[in-house]
Amino acid sequence: AQSVAQPEDQVNVAEGNPLTVKCTYSVSGNPYLFWYVQYPNRGLQFLLKYITGDNLVKGSYGFEAEFNKSQTSFHLKKPSALVSDSALYFCAVRDPGSGGYNKLIFGAGTRLAVHP
Amino acid sequence: DTGVSQNPRHKITKRGQNVTFRCDPISEHNRLYWYRQTLGQGPEFLTYFQNEAQLEKSRLLSDRFSAERPKGSFSTLEIQRTEQGDSAMYLCASSWDRVTDTQYFGPGTRLTVL
Repeated sequence: AQSVAQPEDQVNVAEGNPLTVKCTYSVSGNPYLFWYVQYPNRGLQFLLKYITGDNLVKGSYGFEAEFNKSQTSFHLKKPSALVSDSALYFCAVRDPGSGGYNKLIFGAGTRLAVHP
Repeated sequence: DTGVSQNPRHKITKRGQNVTFRCDPISEHNRLYWYRQTLGQGPEFLTYFQNEAQLEKSRLLSDRFSAERPKGSFSTLEIQRTEQGDSAMYLCASSWDRVTDTQYFGPGTRLTVL
């Protein structure tokens, strides 16, 4: 079955330090991968996506993610964390069985807490 | 471009009542998705519209749920005879008509069934 795993419920990091939020996936074929962020009482905001090409993808707010096909991972990274980055982060993969459209399968989310 | 909007933002209802939610996608986006998010979980796919046609419904969408997208613009999601297990955040997303296109989400409607 197609799935996404976010192995950490919560990640704690000090402001100014680099952060990594982990994501692994299991899908058939070439994956389309996404990261979204959710602030309290808000919908999901798109950060970045990998479709094809360069394994390092740059996105909004200084975030980037590295696609690693051999490890089936798509970890989200930022060189220097801000307190305002504290939020819930979701990794998602396109369900390859969704035909010509883009049904997403989400991980359970990782809460990022950045401490001053 | 005002983004995806959803109304109401919050809905509290008693078990057995019917509720209806509305989603207004980004203008000219012809793809529209509904997802449901329960506490501590990621969103789960409910249904998909290509213009006005509903092309897929998840098994999560029981017979009590119905969704429409008349004229391929806004969409409504109705839940009949609500149950406490229906309590969740209902999210709408829209995108252009390409597989690689990004889905943009609305703020969601939080449903609480008492």
